[in-house]
Amino acid sequence: DGGITQSPKYLFRKEGQNVTLSCEQNLNHDAMYWYRQDPGQGLRLIYYSQIVNDFQKGDIAEGYSVSREKKESFPLTVTSAQKNPTAFYLCASSMMDNSFSGNTIYFGEGSWLTVV
Amino acid sequence: SQQGEEDPQALSIQEGENATMNCSYKTSINNLQWYRQNSGRGLVHLILIRSNEREKHSGRLRVTLDTSKKSSSLLITASRAADTASYFCATVRNDYKLSFGAGTTVTVRA
Repeated sequence: DGGITQSPKYLFRKEGQNVTLSCEQNLNHDAMYWYRQDPGQGLRLIYYSQIVNDFQKGDIAEGYSVSREKKESFPLTVTSAQKNPTAFYLCASSMMDNSFSGNTIYFGEGSWLTVV
Repeated sequence: SQQGEEDPQALSIQEGENATMNCSYKTSINNLQWYRQNSGRGLVHLILIRSNEREKHSGRLRVTLDTSKKSSSLLITASRAADTASYFCATVRNDYKLSFGAGTTVTVRA
């Protein structure tokens, strides 16, 4: 089936540890995104990437890092510098249309990260 | 800061009634999209409206876009219990930056 797969679904991190959340898509989408969602809140953009080996900071990039070595993969590392990482993390992807006709964004099912 | 802001933050309606929520944004956009999220799940795409469109329909959903006021509205007609969810507007800029508002939580009472 085509779609976006995030793993793990639930992750526990000890203080001071780095953890990596996986995001894989088989939709042949160019653009990929990472969002953070706190309980009862909206989504805040962490990083996004339009092409392999390139990515841009979103609104809350501090304490996070990403890589885009392959078109289908966009892993997010939550570093120890992120002071309050407990949240729900969502990965998304979309086509990029040069005619700017607008493209649907597809989301994964999310990963819950808890600091213990 | 959030690009989009939804209004109201929460909405409670009786089954069969219509639900209307609004979204305002700050910068120029390529298109605006509405999404639904059930608790603890990913987002599901509902409808996309391009910057050169003013109104769009999809089933029981009606979306309007006023680029001069930088605002959009989502109307759900004849609501059902299954429509209970959070609804988010998302704006897409020409550089493909996709930003979300804080959402409207809709509760449909049976």
